[in-house]
Parts: sequence; structure tokens; C-alpha cells
Amino acid sequence: QQQVKQSPQSLIVQKGGISIINCAYENTAFDYFPWYQQFPGKGPALLIAIRPDVSEKKEGRFTISFNKSAKQFSLHIMDSQPGDSATYFCAASSKETSGSRLTFGEGTQLTVNP
Amino acid sequence: EAQVTQNPRYLITVTGKKLTVTCSQNMNHEYMSWYRQDPGLGLRQIYYSMNVEVTDKGDVPEGYKVSRKEKRNFPLILESPSPNQTSLYFCASSPDRRAYEQYFGPGTRLTVT
Repeated sequence: QQQVKQSPQSLIVQKGGISIINCAYENTAFDYFPWYQQFPGKGPALLIAIRPDVSEKKEGRFTISFNKSAKQFSLHIMDSQPGDSATYFCAASSKETSGSRLTFGEGTQLTVNP
Repeated sequence: EAQVTQNPRYLITVTGKKLTVTCSQNMNHEYMSWYRQDPGLGLRQIYYSMNVEVTDKGDVPEGYKVSRKEKRNFPLILESPSPNQTSLYFCASSPDRRAYEQYFGPGTRLTVT
């Protein structure tokens, strides 16, 4: 059972365009929503994260939009560059779990063409 | 350099032959975790550890064992590997118990024939 659903599975964008990746969750106890970026041959690395008390967080060209009522959040990459080509994972963490756990989405492979 | 290291990076083995994938972090993190990454399934947690001698199951623990005898090390043990355990494995650590920010190792590509 995938508690965090991510789409699309793959995305091709032209240089300078906007990349948008969407995630939906089911568990209303989730209280932390990070995005991880993974380059080929590397482990994932934290890119940006948001808590449900804000609707948007921006860091440089990367923005998370959060819709609590719809239980959805998305990553927007403005002015996409070829160096942004990577796999992106959304994730969520619940304060109810006794342990420390992140539930990940299925991943989106982003290709930015020059 | 602060990092999480895994060994080996690549491993091809046969069904039933016990193996261990090592994981070590030099950041004095209390929390450590193992994930497997499969196409279309994302990252799924296998086991995690909140501290030395404290471990717990993640989402897909069947067929795996872990131990945490030292703070820096968290080995993943496959007692009797099967082909369905062919996957890309990642170890991660975090400075906080909620694991809000996890630092991942470079991955171990395991093939079980």
C-alpha cells in the first residue's frame, strides 16, 4: 500500500521551462514533507521540505506548494536546467509513528533537454 | 568529510548464500536506516535503528536482519538471499530521531541469481 502517490513517473522539459511533480498522501497524521533529489549512481539528498502549517516554501528555483485540504503537495522547478536532470522523490513523515520513518513516493525521472 | 559509506558497492551472489552489507557513518548520528529502491516502487524502508541496540522493522523487513552494536555501524544481513531481493540498497543516517533530514550512502547494487 503506497501511502504517498507521486506523478508523473517521468518528465521531459526543455531548458528554461517549468518542471512540476505532484504528490498525494492519505495519512492526515503526516507532518513533514521533504523532497529528495537523486543523481545517477548516487544516494538521494534532501532538496527542500515543508511543514503543513505553510502553503508554500521557496528556495532558489525550487518551490513546494502544499494543499492540506486536498492532501497534495508539489515541487516546481523554475527555469529548469540540464543539471536538474535527476530522479525526484517526495516523502512524508508522521508524528504518530513511534520510530523515525519517511514514506517515499515512487519517484519521478526528470530530463531537462538543452 | 561527513559521509555514509556502504560496502560493497556491487555484489552478485547466488540464492541461499549468506551476505552482509556494511554501513558506517562518521557524523555521530543516532538514527540509521536501510532502504531498498526498486523501479516504480520508490524507496521502501527495511529496518531502522534509533540508537545502539535499538532496532525496529520498516515496511519490508522479511528476509533481512540488522544489528546496531556500535553507534556508527548498521550492517544489513541477508541470511538466505533470494532473487526477489535483487535491488539497490541504501543506508541512511539522521541527526534527529524524527529523521527529518536523512543522509544517504552511495548505494549497494545487489543481484541474487
